[in-house]
This record gives sequence, structure tokens and C-alpha cells, in this order.
Amino acid sequence: ELKVEQNPLFLSMQEGKNYTIYCNYSTTSDRLYWYRQDPGKSLESLFVLLSNGAVKQEGRLMASLDTKARLSTLHITAAVHDLSATYFCAVDIEPGTYKYIFGTGTRLKVLA
Amino acid sequence: KAGVTQTPRYLIKTRGQQVTLSCSPISGHRSVSWYQQTPGQGLQFLFEYFSETQRNKGNFPGRFSGRQFSNSRSEMNVSTLELGDSALYLCASSSAGAGGIGEQYFGPGTRLTVT
Repeated sequence: ELKVEQNPLFLSMQEGKNYTIYCNYSTTSDRLYWYRQDPGKSLESLFVLLSNGAVKQEGRLMASLDTKARLSTLHITAAVHDLSATYFCAVDIEPGTYKYIFGTGTRLKVLA
Repeated sequence: KAGVTQTPRYLIKTRGQQVTLSCSPISGHRSVSWYQQTPGQGLQFLFEYFSETQRNKGNFPGRFSGRQFSNSRSEMNVSTLELGDSALYLCASSSAGAGGIGEQYFGPGTRLTVT
């Protein structure tokens, strides 16, 4: 059974600190996506990673993909309160279609 | 460019009833996917349509069905509603062609409550 696991599930961190969210998946795929969800809101696309070794950065967030290890990371640098949200990774497992399998989500709270 | 729109935004139904949710993708997008989000099961894939054809389906009972129209708008229907169908139903669209590579843009969702 395909599994996409994120850890940690909950993360409370101080402003200014760095941290990494991990996304492990159990099938071969070279397409992985990161989304952000604010409470009561929909999903906002953050990063699209389409090959082994892909690295993308936007502001204080950086995502990477290691398809051999079946691992993606979302690194947060010098966290600010506005980054508080739930972060999901999703794996695209069927080439040619959009059948995403989402991770469990990481609820991030940045304390001022 | 307008984003993905979903109607209605909120819905309350009674067990045994049926419901139809609507999704209008971003103009020019031909792929539409549906997901169910619940606190217990998280985000689960329902089905995906491309050019009026269902390309993939998740592990949901036959009570869940969908379709896509020639203008790429999509509907999903749930018959014989159960309490466990209470969820946020999200629709997503993508501009990618048959290759399926690209990102999905999500709508605001329809919050369905079954009583």
C-alpha cells in the first residue's frame, strides 16, 4: 500500500529558528508537490519538484527531492509568524494523470 | 485570471439524501480532480477528469461519481449520504496536457455536513 508520511505532525517553533519537515513516500515517483493550507482555507501551491535532486526556494522556504531515498524536505529558515499553517506534501503516482497521494500534513505554529 | 470556483461553499444534508457539487476550473484548464478532506483520513483522491474522460479513480464506493462537461466544468455527486461523508470537498484544475506534468490549483472547497 502506498504511504506518504510526514514528520513531524506538529511543530511549534520560535520566530527566527530553522527547521525541516520531512516527507517520505513508499513508491517510485519523481514528481512531488508541496502545499500550504491555512485554517478554513484551501490549498496553496508552494513547490513543484519534478526530478531527482530538484531544489526550489521561495523566501524562507526551500524544498528538495531525493527520489532514490524517496524523501523530500521542506526547510524553513528564520521562521516568522506568517508561516504558521499546515504543510502537505503530495506524490504523483500515475504518470499522465493527477492522482495525488497526500501526506498526513505538518501543522506548524511559529511563536512570536 | 479567475481561480478555481466551487459551488456551493457550504451544504447541510440529511443521511440518505444525495448531493451534487460543482467546480469551474481556471479558464483553459482541461484537467479537473476532486479530493475529500477529513480530520481522520486527511486528503484523499476521488477522481480526475481530462477532456470529459475519467482518467483515474480513488478508492471510494460507487456512491461517489463525477463527470466533466465540454467546457471543462465538473460535477461530483454523492448518493445515499452517510454521516462519514461529512468533509471538505476540494476541486483542483491543471493546465497540463495529456502528459500530466504540472501543478494543480485548488478551489476554496465545499464544506458538506451530513446530519
